[in-house]
Amino acid sequence: QKEVEQNSGPLSVPEGAIASLNCTYSDRGSQSFFWYRQYSGKSPELIMSIYSNGDKEDGRFTAQLNKASQYVSLLIRDSQPSDSATYLCAVTLSGNTPLVFGKGTRLSVIA
Amino acid sequence: GAVVSQHPSRVICKSGTSVKIECRSLDFQATTMFWYRQFPKQSLMLMATSNEGSKATYEQGVEKDKFLINHASLTLSTLTVTSAHPEDSSFYICSASHSRGSTDTQYFGPGTRLTVL
Repeated sequence: QKEVEQNSGPLSVPEGAIASLNCTYSDRGSQSFFWYRQYSGKSPELIMSIYSNGDKEDGRFTAQLNKASQYVSLLIRDSQPSDSATYLCAVTLSGNTPLVFGKGTRLSVIA
Repeated sequence: GAVVSQHPSRVICKSGTSVKIECRSLDFQATTMFWYRQFPKQSLMLMATSNEGSKATYEQGVEKDKFLINHASLTLSTLTVTSAHPEDSSFYICSASHSRGSTDTQYFGPGTRLTVL
């Protein structure tokens, strides 16, 4: 059974702080790792993708991957109230196989 | 780039009718598309994997005769909910797999909210 685990939250952080979201996965064969943001009533939006061990930075977002520990994280620097959403961690063996999603972590950024 | 559209965005229909939802990759070709359903406050649930030119692969518990999927071209997949009932009311979302070199990324459409009266 392929599983992706996330803390459901809610994770509350003050505006301007760093939000840290974590995810573990069970399938060691997973090759591609993604973070999606989903606002209430909307579809998921891709925030970050990462494919190799280490850090990947894009603006205020940094994804970290550790395949040995089967661990993916997302850091959001200078958190804004507009970052308040559910963040979905997803992994897949390849692009043509379905994503396996975690249940999502609800982030609340308090102004 | 990597834009996926869905049409319609919202549909209300009477019980017993059929509804067709279109999913298009606007600026890339997608050999593989996926269909999801999401009920309020619940996680995305994968319904089926749609491959261009071949039959869709349905997840366990999803009735293939009720949820007809056609992927006739590299930019279009359709989901038809046949003989819809109120319990089929949900948020239906497609995603398309975009290949760039050795990596593949799935992009989601904006979703279709179906209400069956």
